Amino acid sequence: DSGVTQTPKHLITATGQRVTLRCSPRSGDLSVYWYQQSLDQGLQFLIQYYNGEERAKGNILERFSAQQFPDLHSELNLSSLELGDSALYFCASSLSTGAGTGEQFFGPGTRLTVL
Amino acid sequence: GQQVMQIPQYQHVQEGEDFTTYCNSSTTLSNIQWYKQRPGGHPVFLIQLVKSGEVKKQKRLTFQFGEAKKNSSLHITATQTTDVGTYFCAGPPANNAGNMLTFGGGTRLMVKP
Repeated sequence: DSGVTQTPKHLITATGQRVTLRCSPRSGDLSVYWYQQSLDQGLQFLIQYYNGEERAKGNILERFSAQQFPDLHSELNLSSLELGDSALYFCASSLSTGAGTGEQFFGPGTRLTVL
Repeated sequence: GQQVMQIPQYQHVQEGEDFTTYCNSSTTLSNIQWYKQRPGGHPVFLIQLVKSGEVKKQKRLTFQFGEAKKNSSLHITATQTTDVGTYFCAGPPANNAGNMLTFGGGTRLMVKP
C-alpha cells in the first residue's frame, strides 16, 4: 500500500460524457502527478500540481483538466470522452517539488472504459 | 521532445536465468529512475541513479547509469517467479531536472517456473 488513494477503481461511461477522477496523496506529500496508461503505450505524463499550483504539463488534451485543492487532494476531469480515452489513470505523489527529483508513490489507478 | 526507449519489449525466461533490460534516452538525463509494475498493479519505485557511470545493487538486481547519462540498464541475476512484471525506466531531462518524468515503454518480464 503506497498511501495514495484513488477513486473510483473502475468507471464505465459513454462517449461524449464527462467524468471526474479523484486522488488523495500520501500524508505530507505536496506534489500530485497524473498519468495515463493505455494498453499499447507506457505511462504518459499528463500534469503535475504542487501545493495547489500547476507545476508541469505533459501531453494533456484540452478536454482534460485537473486541480489540486487546499487539502491537497486532486481531481482529474475528463470531458467529451472518446473511445480512445479508455485507459488506466494513475495518480502519484511525492514530497519533492519536481517530478524528476525523487521517488513517486503511485496509487492503485482508476480504470476508465468508454463505450 | 525527449524520448525514452526500452528494449526488449517482452522477455520470456526460465526461472534461474538472467535478465537484462536496456533504456536509452534521446537527451541527456538528470537522473534515471526504475519502477516495477506487477500484473494488475501500480508502478512501484525501485531506485534512482544520479551520477554518471553509477552502479547500484539491490540483492539480485543491478542498475547502471551510462557515462553519458543517456542510457541505463537493469540486470536481474537468477530470476524468480516473483520478478514477473513490467520494468520501466524514467528520467527528467538534464536541463530541467524538476520537470516531468518521461517513461520508457517498459519491458515485460515473464518467468517460467
